[in-house]
Amino acid sequence: DQQVKQNSPSLSVQEGRISILNCDYTNSMFDYFLWYKKYPAEGPTFLISISSIKDKNEDGRFTVFLNKSAKHLSLHIVPSQPGDSAVYFCAASPFTGTASKLTFGTGTRLQVTL
Amino acid sequence: DTGVSQNPRHKITKRGQNVTFRCDPISEHNRLYWYRQTLGQGPEFLTYFQNEAQLEKSRLLSDRFSAERPKGSFSTLEIQRTEQGDSAMYLCASSLVAGVGGYTFGSGTRLTVV
Repeated sequence: DQQVKQNSPSLSVQEGRISILNCDYTNSMFDYFLWYKKYPAEGPTFLISISSIKDKNEDGRFTVFLNKSAKHLSLHIVPSQPGDSAVYFCAASPFTGTASKLTFGTGTRLQVTL
Repeated sequence: DTGVSQNPRHKITKRGQNVTFRCDPISEHNRLYWYRQTLGQGPEFLTYFQNEAQLEKSRLLSDRFSAERPKGSFSTLEIQRTEQGDSAMYLCASSLVAGVGGYTFGSGTRLTVV
């Protein structure tokens, strides 16, 4: 049972445009959500997080939106840069504000083209 | 602070052999996590420690798997009687107990069982 789902395995976006990566979850107990970026041959790198008490969190070019009623979150990258090309994982934790045991999605490969 | 270090980076072993991986977390981090990632999937939680205490183990962690964190510093993950299905990337991560945000992952140990 996949509790965190990333239904788009890949996404291609032109440099300078907006990248939108989506994530859905099924477990109502999830209270804290995170996005990780992964380059080949490296471990995942934490990008941005959001607590369930918020609906938006911004950090530079990265914004995460949370819609609790729809059990949906999205990551917006504006403007997209070639260095953003990587696999992006959505993850969820049942503990507010603390990344304890995480449940990950299957990832979306983002390619930013020139 | 050199980040989370994992050794070896790659391990090829014959089916039925035992293997041991090591993880050195960020020195001030008291939580340490082990995850496993197979091709096309996100990382799956295996177990985590707070200091030297193992607080949770996944059902994925069969009795052939054992993890330790003596003295609350480095950790080892041992797999006995390896099977081909154990082939995966084994990721270690660390964090503070009350850390906001995500954990810091190492680059992983890729295990191939032949």
